[in-house]
Amino acid sequence: EVQLVESGGGLVQPGGSLRLSCAASGFTFSNYPMHWVRQAPGKGPEYVSAISSNGGGTYYANSVEGRFTISRDNSKNTLYLQMGSLRAEDTAVYYCVRNSRVRVVDFDIWGQGTMVTVSS
Amino acid sequence: DVVMTQSPLSLPVTLGQPASISCRSSQSLVYIDGNTYLNWFQQRPGQSPRRLIYMVSNRDSGVPDRFSGSGSGTYFTLKISRVEAEDVGVYYCMQGTHWPPYSFGQGTKLEIK
Repeated sequence: EVQLVESGGGLVQPGGSLRLSCAASGFTFSNYPMHWVRQAPGKGPEYVSAISSNGGGTYYANSVEGRFTISRDNSKNTLYLQMGSLRAEDTAVYYCVRNSRVRVVDFDIWGQGTMVTVSS
Repeated sequence: DVVMTQSPLSLPVTLGQPASISCRSSQSLVYIDGNTYLNWFQQRPGQSPRRLIYMVSNRDSGVPDRFSGSGSGTYFTLKISRVEAEDVGVYYCMQGTHWPPYSFGQGTKLEIK
C-alpha cells in the first residue's frame, strides 16, 4: 500500500524550531518529487515547499523562504522539513504530498498530516 | 500567480439530487505538452484531501462514477450526479500547470439539506 506518514509536529513558542519527517512506503520514493503543503485551521491548502526526486532542486513559498529547509534521504525513504523562526501564522496541519509528475504539479498521494501550533 | 476562483462557496444539496461546482482560473491552464493540469480534491471532515479527478476529467481509482469533471482553458466544472451522505465535505480545485506556486480554489463546502 502506498503510504506517507508524517511526524514531528507539536506546540512550539514563537521564534522556535521544529523538524517534520515523512516516511514513505509502498512505492519507489526516489522517483518522485515531493512537497510539503499546509492547511491553517478553517482554510484551504497552501504551498510551502517542494523538492526534486534527487534532492537537487528545492523550492519555497515566499512566506517561508529563509526560515524553512526541505530535504530528503532517498536511502531512508524519508522527507524532511526543518522549520525555524516560527511565527503564529505558521500554525497549520502540515501534509507530505507526492507529486506524480516532474515539470508540473499533480498531487496523487497525501499523508494524514501533522499539526504544528506556534503559540506562547 | 494564477488565481483559482470557485463557486459556490457553500452548496446545500438534497440527498439524491445533482450538484455542480465551478472553478475559474485567471489564465489558461494548458501546459506546453498540450495537457491541462487541473485537479479536484475532496476533503471530508477531519481527513486529508483526496484526489478525485486529475487532468480535468480523469477519475481516480475507487472514485464513484457519479463524480465527473469537465472544462477547458480557464473554466472547469465538477459534477456529482446524485449526492450521497458520504459526499459531505469541502471540494477544492487546484492547478498545477503554472508553478511555483501551484494554487487551490477557496473550497466549496457541500452539505446535506
